[in-house]
Amino acid sequence: DGGITQSPKYLFRKEGQNVTLSCEQNLNHDAMYWYRQDPGQGLRLIYYSQIVNDFQKGDIAEGYSVSREKKESFPLTVTSAQKNPTAFYLCASSSTRWNNSPLHFGNGTRLTVT
Amino acid sequence: AQSVTQPDIHITVSEGASLELRCNYSYGATPYLFWYVQSPGQGLQLLLKYFSGDTLVQGIKGFEAEFKRSQSSFNLRKPSVHWSDAAEYFCAVGAGGEAAGNKLTFGGGTRVLVKP
Repeated sequence: DGGITQSPKYLFRKEGQNVTLSCEQNLNHDAMYWYRQDPGQGLRLIYYSQIVNDFQKGDIAEGYSVSREKKESFPLTVTSAQKNPTAFYLCASSSTRWNNSPLHFGNGTRLTVT
Repeated sequence: AQSVTQPDIHITVSEGASLELRCNYSYGATPYLFWYVQSPGQGLQLLLKYFSGDTLVQGIKGFEAEFKRSQSSFNLRKPSVHWSDAAEYFCAVGAGGEAAGNKLTFGGGTRVLVKP
């Protein structure tokens, strides 16, 4: 079955360490997205990529970095510069770069930094 | 800039009763509107979407939503809730167009609790 796989489901890190969250899709989608979810704040866009080797900052990109070397993969690195990294991170993809085709979401990674 | 407001943070409803979740948006042109549902610890699943045409949109799991341009609203309804409808619901708006890509702006969510 096609879908989006995020791994791991739970991740624990010490403050000051960089950590990379994995997102892989086999839906053949062009566009991929990273959202951060905090209680009561909905989802906020971190980064998005419309094609391979290209990506743009979302609303809260500071302290994060991404790469898009392959169509299937869009890893997110949470750097030590991110002030409040503990959150639930959701990866999504869509079939086209525009026209608002629906987003397909992975099951998320819960990151806890202590 | 576009924005979405979901005024109700929590709603408690009895099983079998009707449910209505409110969503108000702010956007200059015709919006692309979505409702998603999230079970605890999971990703989001699309319930329904509105792009144009009939303002009453049918979705999965017996949900429907009505687009009202004059009120800038896109409220979600279900005539009779089931215990499995307990989840968090998110309204989202998209700008459309190549420059915007598929970026969506989400509301803060409404958590629905279902009483037996």
